[in-house]
Amino acid sequence: AQSVTQPDIHITVSEGASLELRCNYSYGATPYLFWYVQSPGQGLQLLLKYFSGDTLVQGIKGFEAEFKRSQSSFNLRKPSVHWSDAAEYFCAVGSNDYKLSFGAGTTVTVRA
Amino acid sequence: DSGVTQTPKHLITATGQRVTLRCSPRSGDLSVYWYQQSLDQGLQFLIQYYNGEERAKGNILERFSAQQFPDLHSELNLSSLELGDSALYFCASSAKGAGADTQYFGPGTRLTVL
Repeated sequence: AQSVTQPDIHITVSEGASLELRCNYSYGATPYLFWYVQSPGQGLQLLLKYFSGDTLVQGIKGFEAEFKRSQSSFNLRKPSVHWSDAAEYFCAVGSNDYKLSFGAGTTVTVRA
Repeated sequence: DSGVTQTPKHLITATGQRVTLRCSPRSGDLSVYWYQQSLDQGLQFLIQYYNGEERAKGNILERFSAQQFPDLHSELNLSSLELGDSALYFCASSAKGAGADTQYFGPGTRLTVL
């Protein structure tokens, strides 16, 4: 069975600073990896996804993520954070049994 | 806006009652998924339908059931409600229901059981 670990429950970052959110997955085969963002009171919005090919994936809102098979990781990065990036971020792994397994989420607070 | 709609937005009910949550997938999507988000369990997959047929089941209680209708909308029925069923219930849809498909999430239904 697949699983996802997001080691950081909460991260605080200054506006304009860089952001990196960690994600480790467990899955026997090549995983399908996703990052979603959830703003307060909202549903989940897809930021980016990795299926195969180039291990550096570009997403919306200036986010990127890098798939590292050797480390079973799919960390999310943004070079310069905006106040509107304050939200909860979820890493998820999909597989051929159709369901998505989500990590516990990382809450990002942006300070001025 | 993902294109997935869910009604109602909020639902407050009492223990022992039964409720129905409704989901309309994005135009053209054949697969619907239901998830439960709670503080203690996080985001948990409940069940998936593809073109009217149940395809995958997750941590769904026997008191819960779902179906997908010919027009592809889906309903999640929760019965004999308990306090612990209070949660945000999300519906998602995808084009083909394959593992690699992107799932698009609706805004959720917040269920409060008193």
